[in-house]
Amino acid sequence: DIQMTQSPSSLSASVGDRVTIACRASHIITKFLNWYQQKPGKAPKLLIYGASSLQSGVPSRFSGSGSGTDFTLTISSLQPEDFATYYCQQSYSTPYTFGQGTKLEIK
Amino acid sequence: EVQLVETGGGLIQPGGSLRLSCAVSGFTVSTNYMSWVRQAPGKGLEWVSIIFSGGNTYYADSVKGRFTISRDNSKNTLYLEMNSLRAEDTAVYYCARFSPDISFDYWGQGTLVTVSS
Repeated sequence: DIQMTQSPSSLSASVGDRVTIACRASHIITKFLNWYQQKPGKAPKLLIYGASSLQSGVPSRFSGSGSGTDFTLTISSLQPEDFATYYCQQSYSTPYTFGQGTKLEIK
Repeated sequence: EVQLVETGGGLIQPGGSLRLSCAVSGFTVSTNYMSWVRQAPGKGLEWVSIIFSGGNTYYADSVKGRFTISRDNSKNTLYLEMNSLRAEDTAVYYCARFSPDISFDYWGQGTLVTVSS
C-alpha cells in the first residue's frame, strides 16, 4: 500500500499569511494526488486534483504543485474561512490512501 | 444539482450487520465510479471501497471479506453491506463519486455507524 505523510500535522497562522502544507508518498504516484478541505461536522471538499488543477469554484488563492513523491498545497493569503483540516489523497492505486491531515488553526 | 444522501447508520452491537444506502441525484451511478470513505470520531479519512462502472470492486484490507459494495441502477443508489461489525468500524461513512479526474468530487453528508454493546 502507498503511505501518505503530511507535514506539519498542525499549523497556526494569521489571516493574510501564506501557508504551505507538504505531502509525501511512499512510492511514486506521478501526479495522481488530490487535496481536500474539511470543516468540523462537514464532508470533505475537493480543492485540487491531479496535483495542480484547481477544482471548479475553488478560490485561486489555493494552488498545488509537485509530482512523483513530493507535493505541496499553498494558500497564498489566508482568509478566515480557510481555517480547517486539509488532507492529501493518492489516486494512483487502490487502496486510495489519505494523509493523516493538517489542522490549520488561527494564531 | 448533484446530491448524495446516505442513510442506514445507527447503533449496532459487535458482530452485527448493517446496510448503508446512498441515494444519488444529478448523475447516473451505473456509469460512474462510486466509493465509500469513512472517518472514525476525531480521526482522519479512510478509504473503504470502490465500485467501477464495469462492476469491479475493491476494498481496504480492514474491511475485506466483511463489507460488500453494490448498486441498484434502477434506484440510482449505492450500498454498503457491513457484516461482522467491530468497534473499530465506528465512524461516519461517506459515499463519494470518484470522478473522471480521479478524485472524489462529490460527497454525501455522511451517516454515523456506532458499533458498541
